[in-house]
Amino acid sequence: DTGVSQDPRHKITKRGQNVTFRCDPISEHNRLYWYRQTLGQGPEFLTYFQNEAQLEKSRLLSDRFSAERPKGSFSTLEIQRTEQGDSAMYLCASSTRDTYGYTFGSGTRLTVV
Amino acid sequence: AQSVTQLDSQVPVFEEAPVELRCNYSSSVSVYLFWYVQYPNQGLQLLLKYLSGSTLVESINGFEAEFNKSQTSFHLRKPSVHISDTAEYFCAVSPHIQGAQKLVFGQGTRLTINP
Repeated sequence: DTGVSQDPRHKITKRGQNVTFRCDPISEHNRLYWYRQTLGQGPEFLTYFQNEAQLEKSRLLSDRFSAERPKGSFSTLEIQRTEQGDSAMYLCASSTRDTYGYTFGSGTRLTVV
Repeated sequence: AQSVTQLDSQVPVFEEAPVELRCNYSSSVSVYLFWYVQYPNQGLQLLLKYLSGSTLVESINGFEAEFNKSQTSFHLRKPSVHISDTAEYFCAVSPHIQGAQKLVFGQGTRLTINP
């Protein structure tokens, strides 16, 4: 069990560019979550997957955001046409159906300049 | 819908002093309660959780929290803090419903330990 891995740890991009983040959950965890954390705030729920199915999306997830988990293992979060307001820490977490309290990754810090 | 209020954005204390980090929540359904800790440049780590049973829950590093249903609170306490406890602490709730175990977080409390 190597924990939840996120890549990259940091990303600086110019406004208008597309970015993609990757999350590798704990192998036996069938649930995967994405959260966003802005400076001085707690994390906010974005979306969650059970296996490969995306079962819920927050209204925070505008149509510029898309997430996939193609084989029920790793997940990607893509942001198209980035805006300065997208600058945040993007956190991935995983769990099993029967456990409460996720395991979080270290996050990807996005800075849009 | 649920909401979480952490009443103090920053708490400075001296080493070996006691500390209490306050958390109140609002929910129309029963909830599970959690405290997470975030060290600088790291993700969140689960510190402790209340699901059912005894209202007093403890972590392995000396923190404890007590669920008070009538006051809708879940305050975090430690009788004697160490420098290594310096971190941001987040209270969170998750509703007792089927489906996503979505967490709703408070704004966080930055705990600073002074020598």
